[in-house]
Amino acid sequence: GQSLEQPSEVTAVEGAIVQINCTYQTSGFYGLSWYQQHDGGAPTFLSYNALDGLEETGRFSSFLSRSDSYGYLLLQELQMKDSASYFCAVRDKDRDDKIIFGKGTRLHILP
Amino acid sequence: EPEVTQTPSHQVTQMGQEVILRCVPISNHLYFYWYRQILGQKVEFLVSFYNNEISEKSEIFDDQFSVERPDGSNFTLKIRSTKLEDSAMYFCASSEPAEAFFGQGTRLTVV
Repeated sequence: GQSLEQPSEVTAVEGAIVQINCTYQTSGFYGLSWYQQHDGGAPTFLSYNALDGLEETGRFSSFLSRSDSYGYLLLQELQMKDSASYFCAVRDKDRDDKIIFGKGTRLHILP
Repeated sequence: EPEVTQTPSHQVTQMGQEVILRCVPISNHLYFYWYRQILGQKVEFLVSFYNNEISEKSEIFDDQFSVERPDGSNFTLKIRSTKLEDSAMYFCASSEPAEAFFGQGTRLTVV
């Protein structure tokens, strides 16, 4: 089976940088994704790492270390609109018919 | 830009009644999913659908639940006899290999 661990809450200041970590255990592995969800909204895709290293998309970057079963989402130049929940998710390599989400990290941004 | 659409956005039903939640996935996607999110909790996998049949389902997806793709475009989730604990936001998603696209969800309230 699969399990993902991420902090339940993180607080940061507007304009700062924050890192949200995710560790995973899977029977197979097809890649680590990150999703953002605002209150009352649907999860929206942010990034995907299939290989080790850093993927950068504007203010957001995502990192993966397959050997450590670890990844993180890095948010820079935080804006108030970044206040949301962030979910890491994995897809099983052997059966890519299920995406499993972590419990989510609630990001609070202070002015 | 293609999107996943869900109807209705809100559904209130009496306990014991049947409900059908509807989704139109992105047309060229092959995998379809239903997820559930109880208020304040994580996004939980219910079922995945591929090649016109269920490919995997969670322990939540018991005999009260069923899915269909009746006409090649719609993708429905039926709950036969709703319980109070079925109250949640239900998200439909369809996916490419790396990225899942979510609909805006149906908020189901069982009273």
